[in-house]
Amino acid sequence: GAVVSQHPSWVICKSGTSVKIECRSLDFQATTMFWYRQFPKQSLMLMATSNEGSKATYEQGVEKDKFLINHASLTLSTLTVTSAHPEDSSFYICSAPHSGRISEQYFGPGTRLTVT
Amino acid sequence: AQSVTQPDIHITVSEGASLELRCNYSYGATPYLFWYVQSPGQGLQLLLKYFSGDTLVQGIKGFEAEFKRSQSSFNLRKPSVHWSDAAEYFCAVGAGDDYKLSFGAGTTVTVRA
Repeated sequence: GAVVSQHPSWVICKSGTSVKIECRSLDFQATTMFWYRQFPKQSLMLMATSNEGSKATYEQGVEKDKFLINHASLTLSTLTVTSAHPEDSSFYICSAPHSGRISEQYFGPGTRLTVT
Repeated sequence: AQSVTQPDIHITVSEGASLELRCNYSYGATPYLFWYVQSPGQGLQLLLKYFSGDTLVQGIKGFEAEFKRSQSSFNLRKPSVHWSDAAEYFCAVGAGDDYKLSFGAGTTVTVRA
């Protein structure tokens, strides 16, 4: 089946620094990708929709200047957490619909971000 | 906008016993419905999905779910659970052409020997 990868799987950074998380569709092209945030023992919260060739669209309450999204190619989207703070520590998960179908949406394994 | 409710936060079940996880959705038309499983520290794995047709859907790992429009429900069942079924289960609903999914709060399943 289709595969979505994320890198890194785990990252620790110091408060005030920026960290970039990559999401790749390994065997299919995705003009759209999604970024979710998951707090411990909680559900996934959609943060933004990454659109290849155009600006990302952010969900209400998500700071676009804090969470920079770049959809560089049909197989790569990146999420950069800028000026990270401890409250940004979370599990970040991306997903991509295969062939543009909601029925075929594949999730990455997630990235655990810890800000110290 | 669509929404999902999973009434049970935590369920404990004995190995070999049956399991049912509840999911209720809110959406004006027929939604796309999904069940995902997440093991600790892992991403999501799709168990099954419903779009149309037969309201009883079979999935992987012996799971099934039944769509009941009158009750706005999409409950997940497994006749006999295995210790490896201990995980977090999420119900999700999607609609329209924007591919966005809304997730329920999740149900943690603990399997006791």
